[in-house]
Amino acid sequence: GEDVEQSLFLSVREGDSSVINCTYTDSSSTYLYWYKQEPGAGLQLLTYIFSNMDMKQDQRLTVLLNKKDKHLSLRIADTQTGDSAIYFCAENSGGSYIPTFGRGTSLIVHP
Amino acid sequence: ETGVTQTPRHLVMGMTNKKSLKCEQHLGHNAMYWYKQSAKKPLELMFVYSLEERVENNSVPSRFSPECPNSSHLFLHLHTLQPEDSALYLCASSQAQSSYNEQFFGPGTRLTVL
Repeated sequence: GEDVEQSLFLSVREGDSSVINCTYTDSSSTYLYWYKQEPGAGLQLLTYIFSNMDMKQDQRLTVLLNKKDKHLSLRIADTQTGDSAIYFCAENSGGSYIPTFGRGTSLIVHP
Repeated sequence: ETGVTQTPRHLVMGMTNKKSLKCEQHLGHNAMYWYKQSAKKPLELMFVYSLEERVENNSVPSRFSPECPNSSHLFLHLHTLQPEDSALYLCASSQAQSSYNEQFFGPGTRLTVL
């Protein structure tokens, strides 16, 4: 199976919260990242969390990390149409600086 | 603007053509990457260069040939490609000196092989 897994699609209504989930297999992961890819563009780092943390908040974004279950989530509060994009989960372990990416979750925000 | 540029943005080529993709980073980073992004597969790491030396080659077919002449430039030379090679090719760079490794991506080259 894949090292980093995400569901492929999420559809939400404007103003609601979005929660994008990710699971990973490497128990030695040190950093976990969320990247955003807008249409016609490359990926851009949205936020990250170090493995000794279980939560990180940055304005409308909340990242939750459950190391025991190897589960990472990204919550976007008050989702806007401009949040429509593909969101990639990624992780790298202490032994390698090269991250492993998930397939990406397409977030669709409708009025 | 992420500080990573790619040219061309779009490329259509026949299976017998030879072409090259170019990537340039203006961030002073020491590592550069080529990724392939297609609809049916996860983001695929193709090549990694660190300090201008290739450190990873994930079993990429020899019809793809990378070149890294200096820490700011990365090329991907293409020859006798197949239609299944049609995809978005993304270049990225990072300062790979610790386990924290934020990658900065270019906008990609959309490649279509006829």
